[in-house]
Amino acid sequence: NAGVMQNPRHLVRRRGQEARLRCSPMKGHSHVYWYRQLPEEGLKFMVYLQKENIIDESGMPKERFSAEFPKEGPSILRIQQVVRGDSAAYFCASSPPGGVGTQYFGPGTRLTVL
Amino acid sequence: GESVGLHLPTLSVQEGDNSIINCAYSNSASDYFIWYKQESGKGPQFIIDIRSNMDKRQGQRVTVLLNKTVKHLSLQIAATQPGDSAVYFCAESLYGQNFVFGPGTRLSVLP
Repeated sequence: NAGVMQNPRHLVRRRGQEARLRCSPMKGHSHVYWYRQLPEEGLKFMVYLQKENIIDESGMPKERFSAEFPKEGPSILRIQQVVRGDSAAYFCASSPPGGVGTQYFGPGTRLTVL
Repeated sequence: GESVGLHLPTLSVQEGDNSIINCAYSNSASDYFIWYKQESGKGPQFIIDIRSNMDKRQGQRVTVLLNKTVKHLSLQIAATQPGDSAVYFCAESLYGQNFVFGPGTRLSVLP
């Protein structure tokens, strides 16, 4: 299966803890996008990365949120000191080199903050 | 920022009928559009795409129409089946990057 993989699928954290969400893009894809989705709402763009570079982070909150896509390993979306408002589904998508074209989505990570 | 919106938040159709889901986009410069289907608890699934140099594109049971004059996009599903029940999102982009998604339309297929 060469699809986009995300883990964990479900993550429960208490307020103040850290959440780490992982995304492995499709084979051959070098561009990763992170989106956030609240129940019954559309996807909101957060950040666009390629290997070792952040291309566009205009949708990412300035505090507590960070993302990386290292040369080796998955892309990671990190949320520090989580609050209840961070509860959402976080989706990762990948696209081929050049970052142009169809984005293929992973199954998402559902974060619940208690 | 600019956003994509949908005329109908929910749509109910009888099984076997055709479905039409509409989308209004805001950026007249957008040149690439995608329709995604999202089933409950899953990630969005690519259905069909269209570039701005086209007015119509057909897939298996689906057709996307693009009207650049009024910045309108539609997804037509022929002979709607129960498995088509999902939320459908349109997304617009410029140069195939930085997609902006609409709020979604929920399609319910009635037996």
